[in-house]
Amino acid sequence: EDQVTQSPEALRLQEGESSSLNCSYTVSGLRGLFWYRQDPGKGPEFLFTLYSAGEEKEKERLKATLTKKESFLHITAPKPEDSATYLCAAGVGWGKLQFGAGTQVVVTP
Amino acid sequence: GAGVSQSPSNKVTEKGKDVELRCDPISGHTALYWYRQSLGQGLEFLIYFQGNSAPDKSGLPSDRFSAERTGGSVSTLTIQRTQQEDSAVYLCASSLGELGETQYFGPGTRLLVL
Repeated sequence: EDQVTQSPEALRLQEGESSSLNCSYTVSGLRGLFWYRQDPGKGPEFLFTLYSAGEEKEKERLKATLTKKESFLHITAPKPEDSATYLCAAGVGWGKLQFGAGTQVVVTP
Repeated sequence: GAGVSQSPSNKVTEKGKDVELRCDPISGHTALYWYRQSLGQGLEFLIYFQGNSAPDKSGLPSDRFSAERTGGSVSTLTIQRTQQEDSAVYLCASSLGELGETQYFGPGTRLLVL
């Protein structure tokens, strides 16, 4: 059974305090590993797609990496506006995404 | 360009009533997906349309749920005889349709069944 697990469930950071979010996956036939950001009351906002182990992508203070079993989202020197729930999803089958439960990040000034 | 749009934004209904939720995908996207996000739960896949192919309905939780996509564009998700456990945010996404292509989400419809 395809499974995606995110840790930690919640993360509280001081502004400027870097950290990493983990996404471990067990899927047959991975068709991309996706990271989204979701703000309260809104739909998920696309951040990154990774396809191959060893691949890395960056956007502002965020960097996503992928191995054969895990993906990490590194947040460098976060700001309060980085507060959100970060969702990881594995592309499976012919198109659907298998989502993790998310990591809720709060960055305090 | 315009993103995925959904209507209504919020819907309150009484148990036993039918509801229809609408999704307008990004222009040119051939694939359309419906997901459900319940309080404290992750996003749960419901149904997937790709072009003119038969939809993948494997995620629909019961036969009270159905969806159609007219003209390869707009989609409607219908829930018949709503139950309180149907209360959730229903999210629609679209993509270019190739395997592994990024899905872009709409803002969701928040459904509350009283």
